[in-house]
Amino acid sequence: DAGVTQSPTHLIKTRGQQVTLRCSPKSGHDTVSWYQQALGQGPQFIFQYYEEEERQRGNFPDRFSGHQFPNYSSELNVNALLLGDSALYLCASSSTYQETQYFGPGTRLLVL
Amino acid sequence: GENVEQHPSTLSVQEGDSAVIKCTYSDSASNYFPWYKQELGKRPQLIIDIRSNVGEKKDQRIAVTLNKTAKHFSLHITETQPEDSAVYFCAASKGTSYGKLTFGQGTILTVHP
Repeated sequence: DAGVTQSPTHLIKTRGQQVTLRCSPKSGHDTVSWYQQALGQGPQFIFQYYEEEERQRGNFPDRFSGHQFPNYSSELNVNALLLGDSALYLCASSSTYQETQYFGPGTRLLVL
Repeated sequence: GENVEQHPSTLSVQEGDSAVIKCTYSDSASNYFPWYKQELGKRPQLIIDIRSNVGEKKDQRIAVTLNKTAKHFSLHITETQPEDSAVYFCAASKGTSYGKLTFGQGTILTVHP
């Protein structure tokens, strides 16, 4: 039974570019949440997708957008990258109305 | 919105000692409190969680206690081992938020052999 997977593992971009990160949830899970973890900090909630809709959003600008596909996998898109967007981006999956979230290994993004 | 404060930021213990990490939360509507362990360069892993209808939960050497009145919860690790060394995060969420987790700042636990 595969756990949560994410791709790519590492990414280097320059300011102003756009990036797309991908996540496949744990088998049997239909809800995907995205978090940003800056170095030395706890993860911060970006948004959550359920039934291909954004169900809830944290305090992140519109440059951060997402998508969920019919197979429950998800993408996180960040436009107009800033140096401050450098972080570990974590995806977590859960099943409907269950609080327990399981995290993927993350994508480490470096913006130069 | 919800705010979670976690203390201490670093904790150093000798192997075999106990370790306690404390968190406070601001939103009295929060009702789910998980703890995650994150080793260097790895994903956060759920180690134990508690819901607001329970005051204490144990799993082998790990226990979590919850005081709803004071709005704080704690992680207790007994008989610590070097492999317990990691960063520990507490988090809180409300049932109506469908799983949005608000995390504390983390505690770096070092267990010396």
